[in-house]
Amino acid sequence: LAKTTQPISMDSYEGQEVNITCSHNNIATNDYITWYQQFPSQGPRFIIQGYKTKVTNEVASLFIPADRKSSTLSLPRVSLSDTAVYYCLVGEIGGSYIPTFGRGTSLIVHP
Amino acid sequence: GAGVSQSPRYKVTKRGQDVALRCDPISGHVSLYWYRQALGQGPEFLTYFNYEAQQDKSGLPNDRFSAERPEGSISTLTIQRTEQRDSAMYRCASSLDGEGEQYFGPGTRLTVT
Repeated sequence: LAKTTQPISMDSYEGQEVNITCSHNNIATNDYITWYQQFPSQGPRFIIQGYKTKVTNEVASLFIPADRKSSTLSLPRVSLSDTAVYYCLVGEIGGSYIPTFGRGTSLIVHP
Repeated sequence: GAGVSQSPRYKVTKRGQDVALRCDPISGHVSLYWYRQALGQGPEFLTYFNYEAQQDKSGLPNDRFSAERPEGSISTLTIQRTEQRDSAMYRCASSLDGEGEQYFGPGTRLTVT
């Protein structure tokens, strides 16, 4: 299983763009990268998933360089409600995928 | 539509008792996952099912933990002879076809006294 490394915590201010980078040096050919968001007292919520290059949805963008050894979740113009823990997961979709969440990145958005 | 539901939401039990935690996934979802989450940590994988078949139970801590999904829908996680160290939030998630996006339930907070 590919191991992921991401910062323990980050701070930002309302209106700023936030980029959270996840390292996954031993990512396998068939592995996808998935990000989840978790608010206190709630279960994780899927944000975005990608395999290579760039993926964008209404919530975030995911940038994956050509070597796929890292990925960056980009949250545009964050608000206080984006304060949460963000998890990066790597695994083979459709195979024997054992989701490994790790400790995630605790993002605090300040007024 | 209805999301993933779990019951009970809170369970307090005495050490040595058995507990059964229930998960009702989104209708039609093939895959169902069980996790345990300690405070300040991410969810820790326990086991998962595709339909009624248990695909992997490598995350179950010991043989006091078991899970079933007999008809490929509702699942039960059973902990026998509970211990204080079993106290945690137990989360269930389902996905349409195991293709990555999981939908989580609200969790069951288990406290063993």
